[in-house]
Amino acid sequence: AQTVTQSQPEMSVQEAETVTLSCTYDTSESDYYLFWYKQPPSRQMILVIRQEAYKQQNATENRFSVNFQKAAKSFSLKISDSQLGDAAMYFCALLPRGSRLTFGEGTQLTVNP
Amino acid sequence: GAVVSQHPSRVICKSGTSVKIECRSLDFQATTMFWYRQFPKKSLMLMATSNEGSKATYEQGVEKDKFLINHASLTLSTLTVTSAHPEDSSFYICSARIGGLNEQFFGPGTRLTVL
Repeated sequence: AQTVTQSQPEMSVQEAETVTLSCTYDTSESDYYLFWYKQPPSRQMILVIRQEAYKQQNATENRFSVNFQKAAKSFSLKISDSQLGDAAMYFCALLPRGSRLTFGEGTQLTVNP
Repeated sequence: GAVVSQHPSRVICKSGTSVKIECRSLDFQATTMFWYRQFPKKSLMLMATSNEGSKATYEQGVEKDKFLINHASLTLSTLTVTSAHPEDSSFYICSARIGGLNEQFFGPGTRLTVL
């Protein structure tokens, strides 16, 4: 069985500052993928960033980067230079190869002007 | 690429009626489609997984006779909520996966309100 835990139900950040969202997971699989999804008020799920477990290098997409600690089963998301449009619910998700996504409970991010 | 559409985006129906929600992969063939239910400020709950041409696999606790899923083609899956009741009111999201690709693409969701 797979589990994903997001221990921060809510986070807030000042515009232009940096915030880190936490995620830990558990799986017995060795081949898996990790994702961060953003769900704005429109409720459309938007892929923010993905990480293949076999890659040691942390994924980066513009202002979004991850800190992937495989041994600790930790996968945090860092948002730099936060913008008002970053305000959303963020979900961490685990996908073992050939299986289905398991989501965390989500972190509601507020960006203060 | 990899666009998934859902129709309708919102539906209001009377208690006891049935409602069909369509999920289409617009520019790819989806070997597997997933249906999720989401309550306000909560995570996505997987309801069922369907592979084209075969019966859907339902998660524990999901009534297969109430939530009928059909995946008749590689680009279309439907979820029919039969004899809907107010407790079925929720946000329903579909997702599609291309065979061999380890990523799921999400539709924009359907808000169902049962009066």
